[in-house]
This record gives sequence, structure tokens and C-alpha cells, in this order.
Amino acid sequence: GAGVSQSPRYKVAKRGQDVALRCDPISGHVSLFWYQQALGQGPEFLTYFQNEAQLDKSGLPSDRFFAERPEGSVSTLKIQRTQQEDSAVYLCASSLRQGGVYGYTFGSGTRLTVV
Amino acid sequence: KQEVTQIPAALSVPEGENLVLNCSFTDSAIYNLQWFRQDPGKGLTSLLLIQSSQREQTSGRLNASLDKSSGRSTLYIAASQPGDSATYLCAVSPLGSSNTGKLIFGQGTTLQVKP
Repeated sequence: GAGVSQSPRYKVAKRGQDVALRCDPISGHVSLFWYQQALGQGPEFLTYFQNEAQLDKSGLPSDRFFAERPEGSVSTLKIQRTQQEDSAVYLCASSLRQGGVYGYTFGSGTRLTVV
Repeated sequence: KQEVTQIPAALSVPEGENLVLNCSFTDSAIYNLQWFRQDPGKGLTSLLLIQSSQREQTSGRLNASLDKSSGRSTLYIAASQPGDSATYLCAVSPLGSSNTGKLIFGQGTTLQVKP
């Protein structure tokens, strides 16, 4: 596609519910990133994929967060047993090559609200 | 641990004014530095990318400078317009992450340009 597509745009979850957030990167982009952006803050790195390999997951805040990219294209970020502190905008970005040398394209994000 | 700080947090200027946004980072070991724009409810749009070996980059009315040794970058916006109103984010890619390209963001400067 022409850009990075994220779905759903908005998600309201009851505390304790599991959620799955989807990212469709630009076709052919090797690198894929997930970021978490709390209200009024800058995005914080969660995890990085190079094709299907998850090379860096150092930013995942707890073992309730899990990400996958099984075929090297679409990625899913799953949050189990959601907590109120998980409320944030989750941004996905892709890049043509590794290292982001050619720049990044960000999606519009999924706004998650845990009630 | 790399930390990125942006000053001011918010700025309001009349249309036509030239302005400077500031970004500082604590560790000079960076791969590159980027400036992004974020509109409400939207993802991030890359404005300028400066490699660690470069001193500045220009695009239209925007000019970004990088002084790696002092840990500072500035984004200069000439002849500001109401359409420039947005949040501007500065981000660095730590040197050790050159094979992943993950970014460390500042908290952003929210700019309002009044007609």
C-alpha cells in the first residue's frame, strides 16, 4: 500500500481484557517498529523486526506485551490482561532497509483506552 | 542512558515570525538525528534527517542543525504559517542501534502559529 496502515484506529478495552493491534507496513519494507506514546509524551520504543526476526524487544514494558511478524510483512502487537497504564497511542513504523537509513514511515496509530 | 529534551514544551507565535525549536541529548554517540511533525490524531511525518557526520539539513522553510559534540540540535522555521501549527518531535538513533534504527524521542514542542 501507499502508507503504513494500522487497525483499529480506536480500541476501548475493559481492564483484564486481551487486545490485538495490527500493522500493515509498506510493501517491501524490511524494518518494522512499534512505539508507545502516552498522552503529552514522545513515542517510546517497544520492539523492532527485521523481516520476520524480532531483533530487539528491549522496550516491551512487561511480559503481557507480545509482538509478532510471522511472514515478514503484517505485524500484530498483543497485550494480555490490559491495565489502565496501557492506555496510549500505539504507533507502527516501517523502513525500506535495516537501520532506518532511508527514513521511516509512521502509521496513524491505534489509540487504546483501558477502562 | 540516552535522554532527549526539547525546549520549549509549547510555543505560540504570530504568523510570519521566524522561530527556533531546541533539542538536546545526553549522549553524543548517535547514528543520526531526525525531526518529525505530528498533527493531532495523526502519525509522525519525517521532516529532516541529519546523519552524525553532517552539520545541517534544509528543506524549504525548514533548517535543522546538529552539533553532536555539545549534544544539541535546532530546528529553524522561517516565515511561519498557521499550517505549521503542530507538535514537533526530535529523535536520535543511538550509535549502538545502527543495525536496528530504533529512535529515542523528546517530549515534543507544540507550536501554534496565529493568523
